[in-house]
Amino acid sequence: DAGVIQSPRHEVTEMGQEVTLRCKPISGHNSLFWYRQTMMRGLELLIYFNNNVPIDDSGMPEDRFSAKMPNASFSTLKIQPSEPRDSAVYFCASAVAGFGDEQYFGPGTRLTVT
Amino acid sequence: SQQGEEDPQALSIQEGENATMNCSYKTSINNLQWYRQNSGRGLVHLILIRSNEREKHSGRLRVTLDTSKKSSSLLITASRAADTASYFCASQGGSEKLVFGKGTKLTVNP
Repeated sequence: DAGVIQSPRHEVTEMGQEVTLRCKPISGHNSLFWYRQTMMRGLELLIYFNNNVPIDDSGMPEDRFSAKMPNASFSTLKIQPSEPRDSAVYFCASAVAGFGDEQYFGPGTRLTVT
Repeated sequence: SQQGEEDPQALSIQEGENATMNCSYKTSINNLQWYRQNSGRGLVHLILIRSNEREKHSGRLRVTLDTSKKSSSLLITASRAADTASYFCASQGGSEKLVFGKGTKLTVNP
């Protein structure tokens, strides 16, 4: 298996632009997580899907952030409009089933908003 | 919040020495996990220890869990330069999400 795949690996955009991050989880994993990592706040869970259904989105910072999982093999995290404070590394992770299992992380997307 | 807190924040040792990192958390847990992150990479799962376990081994890694003190430790024996990375503990309780600490940055000097 190729592991969790994320694209793009790097994204530089201007404030106000829409940003879409993509994730392909490991086949057979039923849980998918989006995290954000910054030096100041560490690793924060943004949203958790189980069987393609959003279960916990309490970490989504504000309405500018949205996430979808249209099928078991694809998820997107969208920021619209983007702001400089959104600059961070965004990770997608998948697990067989829920928070109690080990999570497999993708390589991350480094987002810079100027 | 049951955020784990690692201690120390940074650790520098010589190759061949043992490295010990500690983690404390605030509420009761189902399990505690340790992850490694190399610079510029995603996190890699190392080991999971459940609340009813006290010690677990995996290769050169040894993890202990003391639920009475709400703490865990990760010991890396006979460290190698390739062990240089940041190490995170993550605690999980009930149906709660996995909560990561800020990490310990380990440097192993050749």
